[in-house]
Amino acid sequence: KNEVEQSPQNLTAQEGEFITINCSYSVGISALHWLQQHPGGGIVSLFMLSSGKKKHGRLIATINIQEKHSSLHITASHPRDSAVYICAVTLTYNTDKLIFGTGTRLQVFP
Amino acid sequence: SQTIHQWPATLVQPVGSPLSLECTVEGTSNPNLYWYRQAAGRGLQLLFYSVGIGQISSEVPQNLSASRPQDRQFILSSKKLLLSDSGFYLCAWSSGSGNEQFFGPGTRLTVL
Repeated sequence: KNEVEQSPQNLTAQEGEFITINCSYSVGISALHWLQQHPGGGIVSLFMLSSGKKKHGRLIATINIQEKHSSLHITASHPRDSAVYICAVTLTYNTDKLIFGTGTRLQVFP
Repeated sequence: SQTIHQWPATLVQPVGSPLSLECTVEGTSNPNLYWYRQAAGRGLQLLFYSVGIGQISSEVPQNLSASRPQDRQFILSSKKLLLSDSGFYLCAWSSGSGNEQFFGPGTRLTVL
């Protein structure tokens, strides 16, 4: 079993829909990251959070430390949101080490 | 502002040939530097990280090595490439351990 699990693996949506991507982890963490990878391969850091909730534009990330679970929400989705979304965690015993989920491929159609 | 560069962007190499991938960071000093690999259909995996010049930590035993000859330069090398070395190699930097990491554009390596 992977230490970081994401669901769903693939997601398709119509423009304007509300989207939720889930991430569960089984290790002790100091922080959780949400990353976005575009088709060319480049990766952008969206959020780094250790508790509660963060919002940036149409993106919202939440984390429940007790349940070891995080969600990434996209409101009013747009075709330009199409990308792979990756959850990663920073380990408490080695804060230089990120453990990654395998990603969720999102396609938003107009 | 800080920027991170990687080159080459793409590389096709025969099995058994050497490898050198370079990563440089501008606009910051004493960054932590990281090499990751993303194999086809798999998640990202940390290969090496460095918290200072000449300091390299290896996460995965393999035929790759890393060096940090200058503060903002991180090099990934191999003496003899294997087919299994194919993948997308990403360099990243952070301002310190546990801080947000920022990724470079990546190098796509194909070993034939």
